[in-house]
Amino acid sequence: GNSVTQMEGPVTLSEEAFLTINCTYTATGYPSLFWYVQYPGEGLQLLLKATKADDKGSNKGFEATYRKETTSFHLEKGSVQVSDSAVYFCALKSGGATNKLIFGTGTLLAVQP
Amino acid sequence: GAGVSQSPRYKVTKRGQDVALRCDPISGHVSLYWYRQALGQGPEFLTYFNYEAQQDKSGLPNDRFSAERPEGSISTLTIQRTEQRDSAMYRCASSLRSSGGRNTGELFFGEGSRLTVL
Repeated sequence: GNSVTQMEGPVTLSEEAFLTINCTYTATGYPSLFWYVQYPGEGLQLLLKATKADDKGSNKGFEATYRKETTSFHLEKGSVQVSDSAVYFCALKSGGATNKLIFGTGTLLAVQP
Repeated sequence: GAGVSQSPRYKVTKRGQDVALRCDPISGHVSLYWYRQALGQGPEFLTYFNYEAQQDKSGLPNDRFSAERPEGSISTLTIQRTEQRDSAMYRCASSLRSSGGRNTGELFFGEGSRLTVL
């Protein structure tokens, strides 16, 4: 079945460091891929998405490229800030008629000043 | 309010009791979803509605779980005869529905209802 695998956290970085959070997926067909972020005390919110191979999603300095050949959608940011501290979830939506999102387990990012 | 509202935020109950969790979606959002999130895990799909119609309930773990959305707005997730394994964060989300009947993947989540079954 469809699934998402994320790197385990926590990831601890100093401010202005480069961030990579790995995400790989298993899916039939042509899924859409997403990164959601959950800041402390808040609900999940969409960070970025990509709907087809080679698409790059970007938002707030974060980027992720949909790589079909490696079934990956790694999240990157060139210079993290303390305010980026949150839990990041990779997710996929099957390309079929389903409306379900399948989430990874989440990766906690802690950015220290 | 402007966002998805869930109540109660925290619920502690004894094993065997019934609980009802409420979700008030963003005004105008056609689709409403229920997810369950165990500690250290990602959200797990339970069920979803378009308007008042329950489109998919394949994620409900057993027949103690049910959900309704009678007027196509507020939804209630009910868990009967609660068990300790039901303890989790229950998250509601809503979304606009695309013209093709499929969502675009942008879900707007509430802050969740944390259920603890003693």
